[in-house]
Amino acid sequence: KAGVTQTPRYLIKTRGQQVTLSCSPISGHRSVSWYQQTPGQGLQFLFEYFSETQRNKGNFPGRFSGRQFSNSRSEMNVSTLELGDSALYLCASSGLAGRGTGELFFGEGSRLTVL
Amino acid sequence: SQQGEEDPQALSIQEGENATMNCSYKTSINNLQWYRQNSGRGLVHLILIRSNEREKHSGRLRVTLDTSKKSSSLLITASRAADTASYFCATVQTGANNLFFGTGTRLTVIP
Repeated sequence: KAGVTQTPRYLIKTRGQQVTLSCSPISGHRSVSWYQQTPGQGLQFLFEYFSETQRNKGNFPGRFSGRQFSNSRSEMNVSTLELGDSALYLCASSGLAGRGTGELFFGEGSRLTVL
Repeated sequence: SQQGEEDPQALSIQEGENATMNCSYKTSINNLQWYRQNSGRGLVHLILIRSNEREKHSGRLRVTLDTSKKSSSLLITASRAADTASYFCATVQTGANNLFFGTGTRLTVIP
């Protein structure tokens, strides 16, 4: 069974640009969660999707958005990038219906550098 | 914001020794999980313990949970160089639908 796949793995952007990150969950998993990891703030929850609906959202500004498609694949978008958005963005899928509270299966992450 | 804090922040031991990491959290929880992360990569789930459980084992891992003290510990026995990684506890707060991660413990196992 293929694991969680995130693309791209690495990317470099400049301030003010926008970025879209993609995540393909494990086949059959319908819950997808996104986390941001930085040295200063650690791992912080961004949002969770199930069946194309955002079920839960963390404390991030509106520049951070996401969506989920009918095949459970998910994308997140960050607009008007700031230097502080440089981070490892991790996607995780879960087999529990509608909840990102059981065992999470993480992808390798997308490392974003904002210059 | 992070729910948990882990102690110690860094731990260095010799191969074959046991490693103990502690996690403290602030609110009531449904479950507590431990994850491992190799440098800059994704997290790997190690073990989940529910709020009504006190101890759980998985291979060389032993996890305890004390809900009265709002704390948990992860014991890795007979450590190996391959256990070198960061270890995070994560809690699911009562009524929440996501995980809150601790600050992590960086474990180095010296061959």
